[in-house]
Amino acid sequence: GAGVSQTPSNKVTEKGKYVELRCDPISGHTALYWYRQSLGQGPEFLIYFQGTGAADDSGLPNDRFFAVRPEGSVSTLKIQRTERGDSAVYLCASSLTGRPTQETQYFGPGTRLLVL
Amino acid sequence: AQSVTQLDSHVSVSEGTPVLLRCNYSSSYSPSLFWYVQHPNKGLQLLLKYTSAATLVKGINGFEAEFKKSETSFHLTKPSAHMSDAAEYFCVVSDPPGMRFGAGTRLTVKP
Repeated sequence: GAGVSQTPSNKVTEKGKYVELRCDPISGHTALYWYRQSLGQGPEFLIYFQGTGAADDSGLPNDRFFAVRPEGSVSTLKIQRTERGDSAVYLCASSLTGRPTQETQYFGPGTRLLVL
Repeated sequence: AQSVTQLDSHVSVSEGTPVLLRCNYSSSYSPSLFWYVQHPNKGLQLLLKYTSAATLVKGINGFEAEFKKSETSFHLTKPSAHMSDAAEYFCVVSDPPGMRFGAGTRLTVKP
């Protein structure tokens, strides 16, 4: 596997529904990040995993958002009771060891979520 | 807190002319700074990064940036624009555990 992959590439859902977004990081990368990019803005940090644990979830906007990484590789971002304001591109990134001041973060192509 | 400000939301140049994308940063400590590029429907790609080594950083595709502490700037330049450079460019500062992105500058290259 080459880079970070994300599925689905596009997701359309109705207000109030539950969605799951998947991220498959680069093999061997222990650090995984989720960002959200709203239209016309730069990405904003949501959550950071070091291995299997959520080391920092300070960027999650509210308790409708949750993410897991049970085996230290693939991660799933879960959004409950979706709202129209959740519409955005959700980006996943990974890095080798999780030292953000020095390491390059490699980004996936993103999942474009549209909540009707 | 760490932050970056991209001074231009849109820059338009002619093919073969120089590119200048401006970025100012604010940091409470010596920062790590990055420039990423985002082509339509593509993932973010790292152009270059500054991590307190040389102040002039060379990146991919002929781009470079100079870290100027006295001006708190990290402007991105390229001597000669190519049509394929048309994209959205983000100036980024490390803000552990993640990174903090600027609002982006859209670069248009005219033939």
